[in-house]
Amino acid sequence: QVQLQESGPGLVKPSETLSLTCTVSGDSISNYYWSWIRQPAGKGLEWIGRMHASGSAKYNPSLESRVAMSVDTSKNQFSLRLDSVSATDTAVYYCARSSSHDYWGQGTLVTVSS
Amino acid sequence: QTVVTQEPSLTVSPGGTVTLTCASSTGAVTSGYYPNWFQQKPGQAPRALIHGTSNKHSWTPARFSGSLLGGKAALTLSGVQPEDEADYYCLLYYGGAQGVFGGGTKLTVL
Repeated sequence: QVQLQESGPGLVKPSETLSLTCTVSGDSISNYYWSWIRQPAGKGLEWIGRMHASGSAKYNPSLESRVAMSVDTSKNQFSLRLDSVSATDTAVYYCARSSSHDYWGQGTLVTVSS
Repeated sequence: QTVVTQEPSLTVSPGGTVTLTCASSTGAVTSGYYPNWFQQKPGQAPRALIHGTSNKHSWTPARFSGSLLGGKAALTLSGVQPEDEADYYCLLYYGGAQGVFGGGTKLTVL
């Protein structure tokens, strides 16, 4: 049974950096694509980006200047970094296995506020 | 900026059939966009239903099917059940790598 779990601070100050980690259990991270998706309260899903364990990544053009993803195969984790956050980055952040989007984390709420 | 458009809301009677569609601002949706469909109920993470236009996951009920219809990706629910009331999102991939979600369809079973 593949499971994904997001972790990271639930509160980030404006202009600072949001950092989240997704820990994968039940399968190796090395064989798949992995994505981050977010959802502001009451709104739709937004694709942030995806990467392969090999390191190749593709990001949402609207976020590309502020976002970076990375993979740590030794820990079976992948991470999201979003710089210079503002209130509009407040959302539930999901990680997902995106080769066929079959497995998702439960989501973690990140609030941007001073 | 690429926009993926879904019906904002649809209503269907129990036992009925409904088709949700997913259109691209760039033109006709083809299998090359690798259409995905997700169901999301309040307070829950999205659940994958369809990938690669029409491929079901092991947990996808048989009443859900994916297709291409009139230049759009489509999700058809046949024999709708009350528990199918949810938000539905499509996801298209551009250039094989750039994902864009549709705005979602709120399906009411009434």
